[in-house]
Amino acid sequence: EVQILETGGGLVKPGGSLRLSCATSGFNFNDYFMNWVRQAPGKGLEWVAQIRNKNYNYATYYAESLEGRVTISRDDSKSSVYLQVSSLRAEDTAIYYCTRLGLWVPTFDYWGQGVMVTVSS
Amino acid sequence: DTVLTQSPALAVSLGQRVTISCKASESVSSSSFSYIHWYQQKPGQQPKLLIYHASNLESGVPARFSGSGSGTDFTLNIDPVEADDIATYFCQQSWNDPYTFGAGTKLELK
Repeated sequence: EVQILETGGGLVKPGGSLRLSCATSGFNFNDYFMNWVRQAPGKGLEWVAQIRNKNYNYATYYAESLEGRVTISRDDSKSSVYLQVSSLRAEDTAIYYCTRLGLWVPTFDYWGQGVMVTVSS
Repeated sequence: DTVLTQSPALAVSLGQRVTISCKASESVSSSSFSYIHWYQQKPGQQPKLLIYHASNLESGVPARFSGSGSGTDFTLNIDPVEADDIATYFCQQSWNDPYTFGAGTKLELK
């Protein structure tokens, strides 16, 4: 069974930083591109970042709205992916979901339960 | 970025057929596939993939869900609507980078 579990959320002051972790199991992590998608309270979904697998040299891609403030990384030995977000702003307040991109169809086929990040003084 | 436009909310009666629309600001279809996918999100839960490539049902999704469309206009149908289907539905495109989502259509009971 595919399992995705995010940790690391919490309350952060504006200008602060946070590192989110995503532990996975139940599938061959090395094969997949992993993503972070966020959802502000009561709002829609916004893709944040993607990291590809070793075959694609772990290439990373970011939403323009966060470029320069966010870094995605992965540790294949731990089947885990991470998101470092810096210079946090109130508008970064959201649930951050770790998602798997399907192998054959570019859908977000599995999602974690999400982790809440609140940016407030 | 490709903008996906959805109606914010729809009021439905249990047992009826409902159609949720998603309109893309540019074509999201190739000659082979349409790169529109649909997700269901219930309050307090993560989104769940329902339909991929516009019309293909994800494994385990009930057959009362169906999808159609091509180019820029897509629909998700639920027939008949059951109580468990009251949720918010998002369309998402993966034809153009960055991948984008519609703002979601919230199904409400009449």
